[in-house]
Amino acid sequence: QSALTQPASVSGSLGQSITITCTGTGNDIGGYNFVSWYQQHPGKVPKFLIYDVSQRPSGVSNRFSGSKSGNTASLTISGLQAEDEADYYCCSYTRSSTLVFGGGTKLTV
Amino acid sequence: QVHLVASGGGVVQPGRSLRLSCAATELTFSRSGMHWVRQAPGKGLEWVADISYEGTNKYYADSVKGRFTISRDNSKNTLYLQMNSLRPEDTGVYYCAKDTSGWYLYYMDVWGIGTTVTVSS
Repeated sequence: QSALTQPASVSGSLGQSITITCTGTGNDIGGYNFVSWYQQHPGKVPKFLIYDVSQRPSGVSNRFSGSKSGNTASLTISGLQAEDEADYYCCSYTRSSTLVFGGGTKLTV
Repeated sequence: QVHLVASGGGVVQPGRSLRLSCAATELTFSRSGMHWVRQAPGKGLEWVADISYEGTNKYYADSVKGRFTISRDNSKNTLYLQMNSLRPEDTGVYYCAKDTSGWYLYYMDVWGIGTTVTVSS
């Protein structure tokens, strides 16, 4: 159950777009479309952002989008806003019927 | 909307036990799968365990398997995590979270306020 691999940090300017990658293996991301993303502001509870690779829960801005290719999932945030500055975590279902998170990516706007 | 509040955290010596609870405020609790997720100080999220809506299916991270036990009491709208043989690396904030499904447990859509566990001599 090794953690999924995410870049430690990414940065972007207001209004720009950024992409955060999340790399796993065929036993998790590559084997299933049960990939999700969570946003966590400092000192706050995580927020559910994306499920089923690319679906947004009700109430989540359409500036957030997800995709997957092979063993790598991606989260793209378009039209960056100051409030997007946070930590982002990917998560995948695994062959062992467990879940595994990525190490997290700190987004600086 | 389900609200979740975790409790039971504290300071405990290595090798000792602790039981966490997570109280849910909505009746939908009994139809929802549930998870425990933890976060060590300054570190990322780590999935710990999950349990199906009626309590028959349970899965654990390798790091806690054999030491932690997840359970639930739907009559009390409460989720539990029994933690035995605690280690310093178990230190962190423990969150309970509701799954979007009762049986196929993939996603955590509602997260509770966490409770802090510190394992230290």
